[in-house]
Amino acid sequence: NAGVMQNPRHLVRRRGQEARLRCSPMKGHSHVYWYRQLPEEGLKFMVYLQKENIIDESGMPKERFSAEFPKEGPSILRIQQVVRGDSAAYFCASSSGGAGWPQHFGDGTRLSIL
Amino acid sequence: QKEVEQDPGPLSVPEGAIVSLNCTYSNSAFQYFMWYRQYSRKGPELLMYTYSSGNKEDGRFTAQVDKSSKYISLFIRDSQPSDSATYLCAMSPQGGSEKLVFGKGTKLTVNP
Repeated sequence: NAGVMQNPRHLVRRRGQEARLRCSPMKGHSHVYWYRQLPEEGLKFMVYLQKENIIDESGMPKERFSAEFPKEGPSILRIQQVVRGDSAAYFCASSSGGAGWPQHFGDGTRLSIL
Repeated sequence: QKEVEQDPGPLSVPEGAIVSLNCTYSNSAFQYFMWYRQYSRKGPELLMYTYSSGNKEDGRFTAQVDKSSKYISLFIRDSQPSDSATYLCAMSPQGGSEKLVFGKGTKLTVNP
């Protein structure tokens, strides 16, 4: 399967714990995007990364959230000291970059906060 | 005013019907327009990807963009029960190289 791979598919955390979500882009893609989907809401952009660089983090909450896309390995979205409001589906997308190339999505990580 | 408006439905049609799904937007900088299909508990799947105004056809699916009216549509011909899903419109000024702005999605049910 050469698609965007996200893991874990489901993640349960207690308030105050840390959540780490991983995303491996499609083969050949070097651009990664993270989106959040709340119940009854559309997908909302969080952050756009290329290898070792954050290109646009205008959708990221100012505190507790961070993202990275290292030279080797998957992209990581990290949420520290989780709160109930962080419960959502988090989707990763990847593209090969450039206006003519669309973004393809993984099946998401569903984060539940107890 | 939201950047992208999409009627959430739900929309229920009989098998074989022609389905029309629509979005309006306010940002005249949008140049690239996409339709994604999302099944329950799955990620969005790209259906159509268009640039600027005009029509694009792919099998039973036709995407239309009217930039003068800031209005996009997705038509599904000969709808099938397997088309039952939530349909998301998305758009951006620069296509795949930057963040997408999504509508809330329209939930479609095609009844056998």
